[in-house]
Amino acid sequence: GAVVSQHPSRVICKSGTSVKIECRSLDFQATTMFWYRQFPKKSLMLMATSNEGSKATYEQGVEKDKFLINHASLTLSTLTVTSAHPEDSSFYICSASRHYEQYFGPGTRLTVT
Amino acid sequence: GDSVTQMEGPVTLSEEAFLTINCTYTATGYPSLFWYVQYPGEGLQLLLKATKADDKGSNKGFEATYRKETTSFHLEKGSVQVSDSAVYFCALPKGGANSKLTFGKGITLSVRP
Repeated sequence: GAVVSQHPSRVICKSGTSVKIECRSLDFQATTMFWYRQFPKKSLMLMATSNEGSKATYEQGVEKDKFLINHASLTLSTLTVTSAHPEDSSFYICSASRHYEQYFGPGTRLTVT
Repeated sequence: GDSVTQMEGPVTLSEEAFLTINCTYTATGYPSLFWYVQYPGEGLQLLLKATKADDKGSNKGFEATYRKETTSFHLEKGSVQVSDSAVYFCALPKGGANSKLTFGKGITLSVRP
């Protein structure tokens, strides 16, 4: 139990376009999900906390207008990278909270050309 | 604020060698402590956890003991395998249920045959 999926696993997009990443909790309901960004050989940086039915809470320094987060149901949160640029290329990982633990998705590799 | 500090890496070991990865923490109170593992190209998986002082978490031959006297949660394994090659993260939560996780920088372990 406690499986989290992400889609797509890899995406390549052109600079200036937008791309949506989905995070789903497959076998449990998650009122809270988290979005992280991982740079090569570096730790995870928490971007935002996604709360079902309310606005996301963004960490300091994360542009909320660029990284749009929607948590429309108890099993789905989406991250949309708007007007993507090459510096947005990264590995994006989501997690879903269940009781006191977080369960992580497999990650999405975004490459902006 | 709450934080975790991991030893610098990377670490390269021969198969069947003994492994220790250091992790120390700074926190208010006595939070749960976690070790996560990230295999190449994948998301994070919970490896083990400890919820209170003197607890020992264990899984897949790995162990870590929550030591409040030294504010440490070092990860150990008596005999590593090639399949243990991965990035290991120490983490602690900020606050209660559905709380954010603070991660250490992660350390890359490479095990050679």
